[in-house]
Amino acid sequence: DTGVSQDPRHKITKRGQNVTFRCDPISEHNRLYWYRQTLGQGPEFLTYFQNEAQLEKSRLLSDRFSAERPKGSFSTLEIQRTEQGDSAMYLCASSLDTSNQPQHFGDGTRLSIL
Amino acid sequence: GENVEQHPSTLSVQEGDSAVIKCTYSDSASNYFPWYKQELGKGPQLIIDIRSNVGEKKDQRIAVTLNKTAKHFSLHITETQPEDSAVYFCAASYPSYDKVIFGPGTSLSVIP
Repeated sequence: DTGVSQDPRHKITKRGQNVTFRCDPISEHNRLYWYRQTLGQGPEFLTYFQNEAQLEKSRLLSDRFSAERPKGSFSTLEIQRTEQGDSAMYLCASSLDTSNQPQHFGDGTRLSIL
Repeated sequence: GENVEQHPSTLSVQEGDSAVIKCTYSDSASNYFPWYKQELGKGPQLIIDIRSNVGEKKDQRIAVTLNKTAKHFSLHITETQPEDSAVYFCAASYPSYDKVIFGPGTSLSVIP
């Protein structure tokens, strides 16, 4: 399968714990995006990378959130000191680096905070 | 600001009938409009997209139309089948921010 891969698919943790998610994009895609999706809503943009450079961060991304893409391939999204409101589906997408290219999504990581 | 509205939020049709979902966007500079289908427990899957230099695009039972003057675009599904049941999202590009903004989704149910 050469699509976008996310790991883990589900994560249950206690409030206050740190969590880290991984995304492996489609191999030839230079752009990588992170989104958050809550029940009944569309994906909300969090941040994106062009190769290893993080080019934009949404105001939704508080200082407890950090994302990296150290070698321009896979990316990690870390949430520190998790809160109840962090419970959501975290989606990763990738695309080619020219403008207006289709974004291809993974199946997400569902985070539940107890 | 960045905004994409989508209607209706839920849609129920009989198998074989057509379904239409409508979206509006706020940034006149938007020039790319993808549509995604999301099934339960899965990520959104791109089903069709349209760029601003085209008014209509068709792919088998799916068609999209774009009215740039009115900032409206629509998804049309003909001869609906039960496997079309899913949540559909429209989206619009925002070149100033180099990102895509999604609508809130339409839950489509096709009744056999």
